[in-house]
Amino acid sequence: QKEVEQNSGPLSVPEGAIASLNCTYSDRVSQSFFWYRQYSGKSPELIMSIYSNGDKEDGRFTAQLNKASQYVSLLIRDSQPSDSATYLCAVYGQNFVFGPGTRLSVLP
Amino acid sequence: SAVISQKPSRDICQRGTSLTIQCQVDSQVTMMFWYRQQPGQSLTLIATANQGSEATYESGFVIDKFPISRPNLTFSTLTVSNMSPEDSSIYLCSVDSYGEQYFGPGTRLTVT
Repeated sequence: QKEVEQNSGPLSVPEGAIASLNCTYSDRVSQSFFWYRQYSGKSPELIMSIYSNGDKEDGRFTAQLNKASQYVSLLIRDSQPSDSATYLCAVYGQNFVFGPGTRLSVLP
Repeated sequence: SAVISQKPSRDICQRGTSLTIQCQVDSQVTMMFWYRQQPGQSLTLIATANQGSEATYESGFVIDKFPISRPNLTFSTLTVSNMSPEDSSIYLCSVDSYGEQYFGPGTRLTVT
């Protein structure tokens, strides 16, 4: 069974700090990797996608992928209280598999 | 990206009744998905709906309980049949657009 694992959290960081969210996956043939943000009561919103090993930066967000280690992470720089949400990792190999999500709390 | 709308946004239904949720996309997509998300939980895939073929259901979900229609490339419906309080959840439609998955706003269902 293909799995995607994340720490459930909550992960608490002070405003202005770097938040680091981690995700591991079991399917070695996975090709595409995604991070979604979900605010309470809202649907998931795609914030980052990454397909190749290394880093991909978009504003305050950096996604990191290491296929050899089957590991993908999301760094949020200069964290803001508005970043407080649940972050879902998703992996696409033969189909989409979502992780359980990590709840992030950014403290003012 | 794709813009997705769902109707209704929320409903309160009585036990034993059925509710049909509609999902409309602003562009043609091959693959549409239906998820359920219970409070504080992650996403659970119910089924994948491709136009022109029967929906593919995940383990634990059956067509009699969750019939799905996919009449064209921009529209799908999910029916929750013979509802019980355990069906109370948020139901989400999503689509695969150029290898990325986008979600509708969801339908919040409460069964009393």
